[in-house]
Amino acid sequence: GAVVSQHPSRVICKSGTSVKIECRSLDFQATTMFWYRQFPKKSLMLMATSNEGSKATYEQGVEKDKFLINHASLTLSTLTVTSAHPEDSSFYICSAKPGQQNEKLFFGSGTQLSVL
Amino acid sequence: KQEVTQIPAALSVPEGENLVLNCSFTDSAIYNLQWFRQDPGKGLTSLLLIQSSQREQTSGRLNASLDKSSGRSTLYIAASQPGDSATYLCAPLYNGNQFYFGTGTSLTVIP
Repeated sequence: GAVVSQHPSRVICKSGTSVKIECRSLDFQATTMFWYRQFPKKSLMLMATSNEGSKATYEQGVEKDKFLINHASLTLSTLTVTSAHPEDSSFYICSAKPGQQNEKLFFGSGTQLSVL
Repeated sequence: KQEVTQIPAALSVPEGENLVLNCSFTDSAIYNLQWFRQDPGKGLTSLLLIQSSQREQTSGRLNASLDKSSGRSTLYIAASQPGDSATYLCAPLYNGNQFYFGTGTSLTVIP
């Protein structure tokens, strides 16, 4: 199956700093990528849909100025958590799918962010 | 907003048992539905995808069924093994791009 690579897998940062998470589709082109957040023992919450070459679409309640998404190429999307605070600590997962419609989703391995 | 519910939230069974995980969704206008497995601290692995026109899909010991009109899907795991221990998530797809995830079922298979 298709492979989605996500880095870093774990990051610890100080409060007030910014953290960038990368999501790459290794063997397919992804016009659309998705960013999720997951709290312990909870399901995934969709944060935003990232479209190549255009602005991301954010879900209600997600601060777009805090969670900056860039999808500059068909194989790379980045999520930057700006001015991170302890409440931003969470597990972030990206996903991508080949093609335009009704395709399988393939997931990255996730990034555990801990803000001190 | 779409709501996806999975029952039970947690399940513990002895090795070898057959088991059923349930998923229900409030809006039946789905394009397809996917079942995923998630191991602790890891990403998701796709298990099965059922298109809205299909009734079921099978892969090895896994069988997923879909009743779109009633907003339900089940994942059947035959002859469970300790390696099946994980959290299982269902995710219906809407509008071609919007996946919504269920609350998950945490499965523990006891050797």
